Amino acid sequence: QKEVEQNSGPLSVPEGAIASLNCTYSDRGSQSFFWYRQYSGKSPELIMFIYSNGDKEDGRFTAQLNKASQYVSLLIRDSQPSDSATYLCAVTGSGGYNKLIFGAGTRLAVHP
Amino acid sequence: DGGITQSPKYLFRKEGQNVTLSCEQNLNHDAMYWYRQDPGQGLRLIYYSQIVNDFQKGDIAEGYSVSREKKESFPLTVTSAQKNPTAFYLCASSMRMFQIDNSPLHFGNGTRLTVT
Repeated sequence: QKEVEQNSGPLSVPEGAIASLNCTYSDRGSQSFFWYRQYSGKSPELIMFIYSNGDKEDGRFTAQLNKASQYVSLLIRDSQPSDSATYLCAVTGSGGYNKLIFGAGTRLAVHP
Repeated sequence: DGGITQSPKYLFRKEGQNVTLSCEQNLNHDAMYWYRQDPGQGLRLIYYSQIVNDFQKGDIAEGYSVSREKKESFPLTVTSAQKNPTAFYLCASSMRMFQIDNSPLHFGNGTRLTVT
């Protein structure tokens, strides 16, 4: 079982719709959860982080965390073509040095 | 502007040759990291360094070496012992070692290495 799992996609949504990206993780001791966006050929950039169960909103983005289910998601409201990218979920491990473990990413395609 | 500079952007080498990827940061960050990204896979940690003159192996260190002689610089050498070196290499830094809660990872623009 992979430590951090994401559906590879592509997830295709029409412009203006809500895009829902999901991530599950295996380490129950994980404390911090991050979403990075990566455009093709570029480096990842941090969009959001969440530490507590529940929702956290930032503009059009909402991160949702459910530690009991070991599940974290990212919602993008009013999706734009410029949101088309790969979204990486990253989770801190509970091991010795609390390293950041990345999922393989979900490719999002927003079509006009 | 502060940031992380990786060079070159593209690098081509023949099999059997060692190659060094440059990473320089002017963010005054203590911690630096090297990740490798392959298609369809998540970022995998190669090496990390908490402070100058100290570095530790990550999950896939075999065939790689690093040095941290200066706070600003963390070069990665891909040796001929690395079985499958063709990949996208990302350097990152954070204020403190994996204290990501208050100090997220900042990434460089990456180096795409092709070995034939």
